[in-house]
Amino acid sequence: QVQLVQSGAEVKKPGASVKVSCKASGYTFTSYDINWVRQATGQGLEWMGWMNPNSGNTGYAQKFQGRVTMTRNTSISTAYMELSSLRSVDTAVYYCARAARPLGAPFDIWGQGTMVTVSS
Amino acid sequence: EIVMTQSPVTLSVSPGERVTVSCRASQDITNNFAWHQQKFGQAPRLIIYGASNRATGVPARFSGSGSGTEFTLTISSLQSEDFAVYFCQQYHHWPYTFGQGTKLEI
Repeated sequence: QVQLVQSGAEVKKPGASVKVSCKASGYTFTSYDINWVRQATGQGLEWMGWMNPNSGNTGYAQKFQGRVTMTRNTSISTAYMELSSLRSVDTAVYYCARAARPLGAPFDIWGQGTMVTVSS
Repeated sequence: EIVMTQSPVTLSVSPGERVTVSCRASQDITNNFAWHQQKFGQAPRLIIYGASNRATGVPARFSGSGSGTEFTLTISSLQSEDFAVYFCQQYHHWPYTFGQGTKLEI
């Protein structure tokens, strides 16, 4: 079945970087975009950015510009989100979510989430 | 940035009741609008897209309406498995934004 499976929980120190993976299965990885969304505990959902796995093109929310990098490895149908210069406020569950093309399509499949904890 | 405002934040309901949740966008988003359901400890799940289309596998008791700036999610007869948090979302303009969520509780 169509699914996105994310990497496991991470614990990082302030100032470090984290790289979360999102492996797609059950569909053609390069035919759908991948978005990244995060959710702090008990809080709402915050969109971080978008990637076209076919072209590698990306677009980031202004809030994360300069700190986030979205990449992919098409040979293993996997997308990555790397967030640098981590702070305690970055502690959250990070989700990948699939969207059809063109831009302006709903997020129809979500990964299970990856908990990232930033603590000294 | 388009601000999405949901109401109410919390709704106390009973199984079998009809439930209505509202969401307002700060500017016209046509019908580039979705509702997601999130149960405790789980990832969100798409239930309505294009303002009024049910996603695959979503029961017919869920319906969505609206366009432009005003949207509504209706659950015709609440089932026990529907107790969750519901988020609205616009995918009309970057940055995509979500409402703060509406929690359905007993």
